[in-house]
Amino acid sequence: GAVVSQHPSWVICKSGTSVKIECRSLDFQATTMFWYRQFPKQSLMLMATSNEGSKATYEQGVEKDKFLINHASLTLSTLTVTSAHPEDSSFYICSASRAAASSYNEQFFGPGTRLTVL
Amino acid sequence: AQSVTQLGSHVSVSEGALVLLRCNYSSSVPPYLFWYVQYPNQGLQLLLKYTSAATLVKGINGFEAEFKKSETSFHLTKPSAHMSDAAEYFCAVSHTGTASKLTFGTGTRLQVTL
Repeated sequence: GAVVSQHPSWVICKSGTSVKIECRSLDFQATTMFWYRQFPKQSLMLMATSNEGSKATYEQGVEKDKFLINHASLTLSTLTVTSAHPEDSSFYICSASRAAASSYNEQFFGPGTRLTVL
Repeated sequence: AQSVTQLGSHVSVSEGALVLLRCNYSSSVPPYLFWYVQYPNQGLQLLLKYTSAATLVKGINGFEAEFKKSETSFHLTKPSAHMSDAAEYFCAVSHTGTASKLTFGTGTRLQVTL
């Protein structure tokens, strides 16, 4: 149990276009989902935390208008990179947690999406 | 604020040798501590976690870690390395009683040689 999927696994897009990445919890209801980005040979940096049905909480320095996060259901969260530029190229990883983000619960990670912006 | 320091961005061991990956944390409140493994182009898999129960934590694939409050450490060990252990390892910290927000270390790449 506790499987998280991401789609697509990789995407290449032109500069200026928008890209949507989906994160799904396949066998559990995810009250909270997290979005991370990872640059080559670097660690994961938390971008935002989202609870189902409410607005995402963004980390300092992350542009909320550029990285749109929607968590409309207990099994799906989406990250839309708007007007993508080459510097947005990265590995984006989501994770999902069963509990509300007010108490500890294990995060289950998706396999990641590699975004390349030309 | 919480933080994690992983000493050594790259560790190389021979197959069959002891694996030791170091992690030190900084936290003003009792922490939860985690070790994750990441294979190339994949997400993270939880190896083990410390959540204020036993200080010696056993995880998957023969790994274990010991929480030492006096040293603010949570080093990961495995008695005998296997070729399949070659991967990137991340230590992470989360605060008790707060959102399950994880702060990751910079990672240690483990190389296993014949």
